[in-house]
Amino acid sequence: EPEVTQTPSHQVTQMGQEVILRCVPISNHLYFYWYRQILGQKVEFLVSFYNNEISEKSEIFDDQFSVERPDGSNFTLKIRSTKLEDSAMYFCARGTGGYNEQFFGPGTRLTVL
Amino acid sequence: EDQVTQSPEALRLQEGESSSLNCSYTVSGLRGLFWYRQDPGKGPEFLFTLYSAGEEKEKERLKATLTKKESFLHITAPKPEDSATYLCAVLSGGSYIPTFGRGTSLIVHP
Repeated sequence: EPEVTQTPSHQVTQMGQEVILRCVPISNHLYFYWYRQILGQKVEFLVSFYNNEISEKSEIFDDQFSVERPDGSNFTLKIRSTKLEDSAMYFCARGTGGYNEQFFGPGTRLTVL
Repeated sequence: EDQVTQSPEALRLQEGESSSLNCSYTVSGLRGLFWYRQDPGKGPEFLFTLYSAGEEKEKERLKATLTKKESFLHITAPKPEDSATYLCAVLSGGSYIPTFGRGTSLIVHP
């Protein structure tokens, strides 16, 4: 059973469109992360979220990205104006903080045409 | 800059043929090393956490070990269902964000 669920499993969009990817925690956790993995590449960190605030973000997480927790449970990753190079698998993960392991969701495959 | 290098990139084994995957790292102040399994089109599945040199963890046919420079994932008598990409990730310094390696793609033939 996954630690978090993600929707949709696959999203196809046109370049320049906005997309919203969702992460639904199975239980109450405080630490959440978004990663992306371009096909054949490494898993890359985007942003971490602790106690409803961004705690750390990478250089990839520029102004076109944003994260929210609109209803106190679900997390969303918004990409405002998608580019071809945004095509990737996007993973949400939950953790317990500190130097401990993270548990990943099944991912959303984003295809930008 | 922290580096995490996994080798080999790809490995083909016959069922029952034991082998090891390597994850070497050059980081300042290792805080933790993680092994994950990733099936095609799926999210990484957590396997092990190692924190200090000399530490070992085991789970079924898998055993992870850690030295000051590298970690090994030993696979004993693998089965076809062990076929997957195995990822190594490292925490170092004051960061709580792991750096991932590119992974080793393992195929076990029946």
